Amino acid sequence: EAGVTQSPTHLIKTRGQQATLRCSPISGHTSVYWYQQALGLGLQFLLWYDEGEERNRGNFPPRFSGRQFPNYSSELNVNALELEDSALYLCASSPGLAGARETQYFGPGTRLLVL
Amino acid sequence: AQSVSQHNHHVILSEAASLELGCNYSYGGTVNLFWYVQYPGQHLQLLLKYFSGDPLVKGIKGFEAEFIKSKFSFNLRKPSVQWSDTAEYFCAVTSGTGTASKLTFGTGTRLQVTL
Repeated sequence: EAGVTQSPTHLIKTRGQQATLRCSPISGHTSVYWYQQALGLGLQFLLWYDEGEERNRGNFPPRFSGRQFPNYSSELNVNALELEDSALYLCASSPGLAGARETQYFGPGTRLLVL
Repeated sequence: AQSVSQHNHHVILSEAASLELGCNYSYGGTVNLFWYVQYPGQHLQLLLKYFSGDPLVKGIKGFEAEFIKSKFSFNLRKPSVQWSDTAEYFCAVTSGTGTASKLTFGTGTRLQVTL
């Protein structure tokens, strides 16, 4: 069974540009989560989508946004990139059936570098 | 808001030594606890999880963790580490039993096992 996939693996942008990151969940999973793993800051929750709706977002500015498509894949958009947005962005998926006792399965991440 | 503390940032052990990584959380209600591992160059993988029942849970690769409610702790243990256990270990928590929610992660512990 294929795991969570993310593209691209690496992305280099300059300050002020926009970045689009993509995630395909495990087949059958309806929930998709986005996390940022920045150096020295650990893993921080960004966004959660389920059944096409944004269910929760972390403490990030509105220039971090995303969406979930009918096939449950997801896109994370970061507008007006800043140097501190450089990080590994992880996507996770879960079946969407067990509430807070869901196990989230992670993809390999997209490493974003902002110059 | 819930938070997770991992007190050991970097641990160096010789092969065959015993391992205990500390994890403490702050949340007064029902919690669901996870340990994830990130091997060099690989994505986050679930080691073990605790939802309820027996507070001693066993995971993959000989790891176990004990939930001590009175101490708000969920320490990870392994009796004898191997060189292949070199990785970064993350403790994480979700709260409640209802709606699925974000994982709150600790800052991680980097384990280095020497031959």
